[in-house]
Amino acid sequence: QVQLQESGPGLVKPSETLSLTCTVSGGSISSSHWSWVRQPPGKGLEWIGCIYYSGSTKYNPSLQSRVTISVDTSKNQFSLRLNSATAADTAVYFCARVRDDDVYNPLEYWGQGTLITVSS
Amino acid sequence: AIRMTQSPSSFSASAGDRVTITCRASQGINSYLAWYQQKPGKAPKLLIYGASTLQSGVPSRFSGSGSGTEFTLTISSLQSEDFATYYCQQYYSFLPFTFGQGTKLEIK
Repeated sequence: QVQLQESGPGLVKPSETLSLTCTVSGGSISSSHWSWVRQPPGKGLEWIGCIYYSGSTKYNPSLQSRVTISVDTSKNQFSLRLNSATAADTAVYFCARVRDDDVYNPLEYWGQGTLITVSS
Repeated sequence: AIRMTQSPSSFSASAGDRVTITCRASQGINSYLAWYQQKPGKAPKLLIYGASTLQSGVPSRFSGSGSGTEFTLTISSLQSEDFATYYCQQYYSFLPFTFGQGTKLEIK
């Protein structure tokens, strides 16, 4: 059973970079696509972007100028960086795995989520 | 971006009821539609994909239907553990993949 776990600082200052890592266990990251999704408090889900183990990425156009997703296959991890954070980036951030090797699939496995607050 | 609109946004029902949630896409998405269940403080859980295929381990009281722009999620007989928020998601067009705003199902 694939398991995902997000890690990162819970508090980020405005204008700084939000950084999160997702550690994958119970399976290899060298298959499928791996995604980030966020959920502002009390609101709905927003898909941020995803990465294939080879390193190819796809980003939400609304965040593309500020987002970088990377993968470290040696550590079975992938990461999210969001530059120039503002209060609007305050959310629970989830990492997830796409159901199949093709990116055009739903999200089958999810991490538990981690709350990131952007505040001075 | 493809806009996904769910209805209703919230409603109350009783255990044993049959309930239906609707999701409409702003343009055709074939059957590239998934349904998720989310409980407070938890990650979403995949229930249905391909508009009508039940994810492994999901009870058969859940079913999905539709194609193109209109989709439904039906729970045939509500159980206490089904009270949650439900989201639809399209994965047809990557600009970006989008979710509905959610439907909160509460106990009457």
